[in-house]
Amino acid sequence: KAGVTQTPRYLIKTRGQQVTLSCSPISGHRSVSWYQQTPGQGLQFLFEYFSETQRNKGNFPGRFSGRQFSNSRSEMNVSTLELGDSALYLCASSFNTDFRGSPLHFGNGTRLTVT
Amino acid sequence: GESVGLHLPTLSVQEGDNSIINCAYSNSASDYFIWYKQESGKGPQFIIDIRSNMDKRQGQRVTVLLNKTVKHLSLQIAATQPGDSAVYFCAETGNFNKFYFGSGTKLNVKP
Repeated sequence: KAGVTQTPRYLIKTRGQQVTLSCSPISGHRSVSWYQQTPGQGLQFLFEYFSETQRNKGNFPGRFSGRQFSNSRSEMNVSTLELGDSALYLCASSFNTDFRGSPLHFGNGTRLTVT
Repeated sequence: GESVGLHLPTLSVQEGDNSIINCAYSNSASDYFIWYKQESGKGPQFIIDIRSNMDKRQGQRVTVLLNKTVKHLSLQIAATQPGDSAVYFCAETGNFNKFYFGSGTKLNVKP
């Protein structure tokens, strides 16, 4: 069974631009979560989608948005990029409708560098 | 590959020794806990999980202990190998569909 796939693997953008990251979950998983990972802040929750609906959102500005498609694939978008948005963005999928008893399975992330 | 956890607490152990990695959590409502391993350039990889109705759970060479009284979680790795070198994170949830991750511990295994 294929794991969580994230594309692209690396991105370099300049301040003010926008970026779209893509995630394909494990087949059969309907929940997709996004996390930002930085050395200083660790893993920070961005948002989670299930059946095309955002069920939960972290404490990030509105420049960060996401969506999920009917095939469970998900995208996240960051508009008006800032230097501080440089991070590893991780996508994770899960089978259960809630997370208790169902671990997140992560992709290898998209490394975003903002210059 | 990318470097994860440049300023993390580090645990250095000799190959073949046992390792114990600790994690404190703050939410007494958390009822499901996971340990993840993250190698350089990769995403976190599931190691083992435990529910709050258990105190201990064992996997292959790994054991997770949960002490709900003091809100403490530990991961024990038996006969640590060089391939165990990585950053280890604990994660908790008790709040429907949202996980909180610890800051991580870097494990260095010396040959």
